[in-house]
Amino acid sequence: QVQLVQSGGEVKKPGASVKVSCEASGFTLTNYYLHWVRQAPGQGLEWMGVIDPTAGTTTYTQKFQARGAMTRDTSTSTVYFQLSSLRSEDTAVYFCARATDTSGWAVGFDLWGQGTMVTVSS
Amino acid sequence: DIQMTQSPSSLSASVGDRVTISCRASQSISTYLNWYQQKPGRAPKLLIYAASSVQSGVPSRFSGSGSGTDFTLIIRNLQPEDFASYYCQQSYNTPLTFGGGTKVEIK
Repeated sequence: QVQLVQSGGEVKKPGASVKVSCEASGFTLTNYYLHWVRQAPGQGLEWMGVIDPTAGTTTYTQKFQARGAMTRDTSTSTVYFQLSSLRSEDTAVYFCARATDTSGWAVGFDLWGQGTMVTVSS
Repeated sequence: DIQMTQSPSSLSASVGDRVTISCRASQSISTYLNWYQQKPGRAPKLLIYAASSVQSGVPSRFSGSGSGTDFTLIIRNLQPEDFASYYCQQSYNTPLTFGGGTKVEIK
């Protein structure tokens, strides 16, 4: 079955870090770019960045350039997103999503993980 | 960054209605425009890519049009399962950006 399965919800204190995983199954991870998108409660979608699982290269939106880190483990078909120095505004559902084709992002994201709720609270 | 502006932010409609949602880009993005549907507690679902191409498995009542800066998503013969939020996304360049969303509610 073609799917992306994410790790479970997390509760973190301000200043801590969180690492969310996204495991691909039913397809070859290295054939597609993987993106990360988040959604704060009751808000819209926010793109955070993308990783090329083959080369390991990443592109982040400026907002996450300093605090975000995307990595991959091709042996387990898993990509990771780590966000450090967490603050309350980072409370959101974090999604991984697969690019529809090998262009990387030109035609959107056709497969999404189920989402991981990250709550930042003291 | 390219700003994406959707309108309206919400609308009320009845089953069987024709619904139109607009999306405007702050600069020309050719046809690098995608539409997603999202239901509460669920991940978004790709409906339309490249402005007018319908994703496999998506009902034919969904259609998209536009190029440059102005785009439209049309839902014909609105069905009960179509009540959801809809987002446009530009994929012309990074950072990829989404519109603010349109919530389609039952009248």
